[in-house]
Amino acid sequence: DAKTTQPPSMDCAEGRAANLPCNHSTISGNEYVYWYRQIHSQGPQYIIHGLKNNETNEMASLIITEDRKSSTLILPHATLRDTAVYYCIASYNQGGKLIFGQGTELSVKP
Amino acid sequence: SQTIHQWPATLVQPVGSPLSLECTVEGTSNPNLYWYRQAAGRGLQLLFYSVGIGQISSEVPQNLSASRPQDRQFILSSKKLLLSDSGFYLCAWSSNLGQPQHFGDGTRLSIL
Repeated sequence: DAKTTQPPSMDCAEGRAANLPCNHSTISGNEYVYWYRQIHSQGPQYIIHGLKNNETNEMASLIITEDRKSSTLILPHATLRDTAVYYCIASYNQGGKLIFGQGTELSVKP
Repeated sequence: SQTIHQWPATLVQPVGSPLSLECTVEGTSNPNLYWYRQAAGRGLQLLFYSVGIGQISSEVPQNLSASRPQDRQFILSSKKLLLSDSGFYLCAWSSNLGQPQHFGDGTRLSIL
């Protein structure tokens, strides 16, 4: 599985868009990009995943660059409840392994 | 809809005692099941995963073991706990390998 690199922490004002970057320059053609978040003392929550195309669901949007070497998770209108550690994971669509790194600690401030 | 249950939520055990953590999934059949551990301030580490009853793959050699006696039941065990077994244990399921995994609320295990 490809290694991912994320900034250790970010701040965002409440109501503004939170853009969380992730580098995965060694990603292979059949590795998906997954995003999870973990609110303190809870289990990780699945957010979104994608292979090549940009994806959007009720929680967030995922923008993947054309060369697939990086991606951005967008929370369009961040709320205080979005404060969490966000994990970007590159994983083959088989084997079931999700390798969690240190993630980005997002603090949404009023 | 599918739900995943883990218990207990917290557990304090003495060194050398046995361990049994249970995880069950409802609302789906033949799920893939996973056990992870998260040490304080660190990322998650995959311990075991299972694609079916009696089928267990171990990712990290240690004094823990896993069993899947029923389709939607996954158990994490140890015969003798070590101090280093302290951590946050999470169970997860997915419909197929590579599909998004959905996590339970975890068990916080402290070894004294």
